[in-house]
Amino acid sequence: GQNIDQPTEMTATEGAIVQINCTYQTSGFNGLFWYQQHAGEAPTFLSYNVLDGLEEKGRFSSFLSRSKGYSYLLLKELQMKDSASYLCAVRLSGGYQKVTFGTGTKLQVIP
Amino acid sequence: NAGVTQTPKFRVLKTGQSMTLLCAQDMNHEYMYWYRQDPGMGLRLIHYSVGEGTTAKGEVPDGYNVSRLKKQNFLLGLESAAPSQTSVYFCASSPPQYSNQPQHFGDGTRLSIL
Repeated sequence: GQNIDQPTEMTATEGAIVQINCTYQTSGFNGLFWYQQHAGEAPTFLSYNVLDGLEEKGRFSSFLSRSKGYSYLLLKELQMKDSASYLCAVRLSGGYQKVTFGTGTKLQVIP
Repeated sequence: NAGVTQTPKFRVLKTGQSMTLLCAQDMNHEYMYWYRQDPGMGLRLIHYSVGEGTTAKGEVPDGYNVSRLKKQNFLLGLESAAPSQTSVYFCASSPPQYSNQPQHFGDGTRLSIL
């Protein structure tokens, strides 16, 4: 089966930096996505990694290590509006290349 | 700039009733998906389609049927609703998976089965 692990909840302070980790054990790998989901809303795409290393996009960065089955999402200069769930999703290789989602990390940003 | 539109946004059903959830996308995407999201369970794939006229089962297909008669529409049917189907349902679309493009999600349908 496929297994994706993320912390359930995290709390961080406005203006600070927070790192959300994701570890995966899957049969095949062809990329990892991070999505943001505010309460009661749809998931929205944040970042994509398929090769090892860091991808930076403004205040958000995502890192991947394929050999360790590990990724993290780094959020800098936290704002109150960053309070949301962050979903890690792995695309499997072969055939239809299904995307499997983790259960998400609920981040609360406090003043 | 509509993207993915789901209808209805909320619905309450009685056990045994049937209904159809509608999903429409205007991005000319080949692939479409139906997910359910439950607390602590994450997004689980119900059915998906890789093109007009084709459908396939996902992780949790029992009790649901789908149809993709037109490229832009993907319908999810509940044949005989059960309380276990109370959930938030999301439709998504994407270009073919090998294009490395993300899925785009609709706003969800909140369904309660009494």
